[in-house]
Amino acid sequence: NAGVTQTPKFQVLKTGQSMTLQCAQDMNHEYMSWYRQDPGMGLRLIHYSVGAGITDQGEVPNGYNVSRSTTEDFPLRLLSAAPSQTSVYFCASIDRQRIYGYTFGSGTRLTVV
Amino acid sequence: GENVEQHPSTLSVQEGDSAVIKCTYSDSASNYFPWYKQELGKRPQLIIDIRSNVGEKKDQRIAVTLNKTAKHFSLHITETQPEDSAVYFCAATVSGGYQKVTFGTGTKLQVIP
Repeated sequence: NAGVTQTPKFQVLKTGQSMTLQCAQDMNHEYMSWYRQDPGMGLRLIHYSVGAGITDQGEVPNGYNVSRSTTEDFPLRLLSAAPSQTSVYFCASIDRQRIYGYTFGSGTRLTVV
Repeated sequence: GENVEQHPSTLSVQEGDSAVIKCTYSDSASNYFPWYKQELGKRPQLIIDIRSNVGEKKDQRIAVTLNKTAKHFSLHITETQPEDSAVYFCAATVSGGYQKVTFGTGTKLQVIP
């Protein structure tokens, strides 16, 4: 049982490049989310999903796309990277009954130059 | 939407003293309040949570209290130890089709040996 697995751990992009952050969970959680963490601003919700085929926007969705083709996977796509997207990204999942709260992945530290 | 305020943003205590972190929320529909600990460079991890039908919950040196009327909840750490040094996040969750989780901005706790 690996929990929530995120890849890559570190990434440097040039402005305008695109990339996908991968997230997978093996706990059969229906709910998955992407957060970005910036100094002094806590965790801000980018996109979330309540199940396969269902996604919705969070607080800061601009510049990001998501899809949820399976229960396990929830990739985050940066369409055209900008320096403002330099951040630490966390994927998280939670069971429907919220018995244990969120389980977070280990994070991806992204730098856009 | 929900708004969660967390205070203080930084907190220094001597080893063995108690630490208290306070959060307020705005949405009376919030009914689940987890607390997360994030050590430097690591993922947030759930340390304790409380549901709206409970006023207080304890787990060894950690306790959480909830005042629904005043819409605030607090984390209490007693007999602090250097390994308690970390950033602590509170969160408020509104139940529904998706558990909208709003995080506080975090408190950096430093325990001085």
